[in-house]
Amino acid sequence: QQQVKQSPQSLIVQKGGIPIINCAYENTAFDYFPWYQQFPGKGPALLIAIRPDVSEKKEGRFTISFNKSAKQFSLHIMDSQPGDSATYFCAARPSGAGSYQLTFGKGTKLSVIP
Amino acid sequence: DAGITQSPRHKVTETGTPVTLRCHQTENHRYMYWYRQDPGHGLRLIHYSYGVKDTDKGEVSDGYSVSRSKTEDFLLTLESATSSQTSVYFCAISAGGRKNGELFFGEGSRLTVL
Repeated sequence: QQQVKQSPQSLIVQKGGIPIINCAYENTAFDYFPWYQQFPGKGPALLIAIRPDVSEKKEGRFTISFNKSAKQFSLHIMDSQPGDSATYFCAARPSGAGSYQLTFGKGTKLSVIP
Repeated sequence: DAGITQSPRHKVTETGTPVTLRCHQTENHRYMYWYRQDPGHGLRLIHYSYGVKDTDKGEVSDGYSVSRSKTEDFLLTLESATSSQTSVYFCAISAGGRKNGELFFGEGSRLTVL
């Protein structure tokens, strides 16, 4: 069963636009929500992460918004650049036992066109 | 970059042959993981290890086995490869504790089963 649903599957934006990728989860016992960025031919790399006790976290041009009551979180990329073109995965980590297993969304392929 | 090396990086094999993929880390991290990545499925956990000789199954473990005889090495074995196991395989490591959601991935091993 898929516990983290990610949308959209693909996204094309113009340079300077603000792509938004959304994720929704079902398990309320998740306590850590990271985003991973993957360039073609490379392994995923941790981009930014948030814990459920905050509603927003910014790192440079990347922002995570977190809505605990709706069980949703999203990634915003401000002033997007062609170099941001990559596949983005959201993930969630269960608290307590099993906390070493991340559940990943299916990924969003982002293309930023000049 | 985290010291993770996967080998081989590319392999073509025939149905029914055994295949072993190796993951080697130089970070002395406790947790090691094997994921497979397929279009439309994202990253799916095959097996993971939480210490030497301590392993457990993930979401898609059928047809795979693993071994970890040393902290630094985690082997993934396909006893009898099938075409459905054609995929890109990623090894990941984690320090554990509050950093359990922070995975460092290798570059991937592309396996084609004919």
